[in-house]
Amino acid sequence: DIVMTQSPDSLAVSLGERATINCKSSQSVLYSSNNKNYLAWYQQRPGQPPKLLIHWASTRESGVPDRFSGSGSGTDFTLTISSLQAEDVAVYYCQQYYSSPFTFGPGTKVDVK
Amino acid sequence: EVQLLESGGGLVQPGGSLRLSCAASGFTFSSYGMSWVRQAPGKGLQWVSAISGSGGSTYYADSVKGRFTISRDNSKNTLYLQMNSLRAEDTAVYYCAKIGATSDYFPADYWGQGTLVTVSS
Repeated sequence: DIVMTQSPDSLAVSLGERATINCKSSQSVLYSSNNKNYLAWYQQRPGQPPKLLIHWASTRESGVPDRFSGSGSGTDFTLTISSLQAEDVAVYYCQQYYSSPFTFGPGTKVDVK
Repeated sequence: EVQLLESGGGLVQPGGSLRLSCAASGFTFSSYGMSWVRQAPGKGLQWVSAISGSGGSTYYADSVKGRFTISRDNSKNTLYLQMNSLRAEDTAVYYCAKIGATSDYFPADYWGQGTLVTVSS
C-alpha cells in the first residue's frame, strides 16, 4: 500500500499571508504512460464533508479560488494558499488515486494566527 | 444538482452487521464509480471501498477486506455497503462519494453528509 504523509500537522498563518502544506507518498504516483500525477487535495471545514480542490496534483476544480495551487511530481507535492482568507480555516488532506487502496494523508490543520 | 444521501447508520454491537445505503441523484449514476470513505470521531479521512460504474470492479482497504462488501443497484441509483463482523474501530461517520470521472482512478468530486456508525456494547 502507498503510505501518504503530510507536514506540518498544523499551522497558523496571518490573514493575507501564504500557507504551504507538504505531502509525500511512499512510492511514486506518477503514471509514466500519461505523465500524470495521481494526487488530489481536499479541504474539510469543521462539520462538513470534504471538498475536492485539486486533482492531477495541480488542476484546480471548477469554482476553486486561484489562491489555491498545487505542485510537485513523483513522491513530493505541495498545496499553497497564496493569501489566506478566514474561510480557508480547515483541515487539508492529500490523497493518492494511483493504486488501490486509495490512501489519504493524515491531514494538516490550518488556522488563522 | 448532484445529491448523495446516506442512510442506515446507527448503534450496533461488536460482531454485528449493518447495511449502509446511499441514494444518488442529479447525474447518470451508472456512468460513475462510487466510493465509501469514513472518519472516526476527531480523526482523519480513511478510504474504505470503491466500485466501478458497472459494478464489475470493486476495491477495498485492507482493514475491511473480507468483512465489508460494496455493491450498487443502477436501476435504483443506490450504492450500498454491507458491513459484517463489526469492530469498535469501525466506529465512524461513513461518507458516500461520487468519483469525478468515468475512470475508476480519479478522486471524488461530490460527497454526502455522512451517516454515523457506532459499534459498542
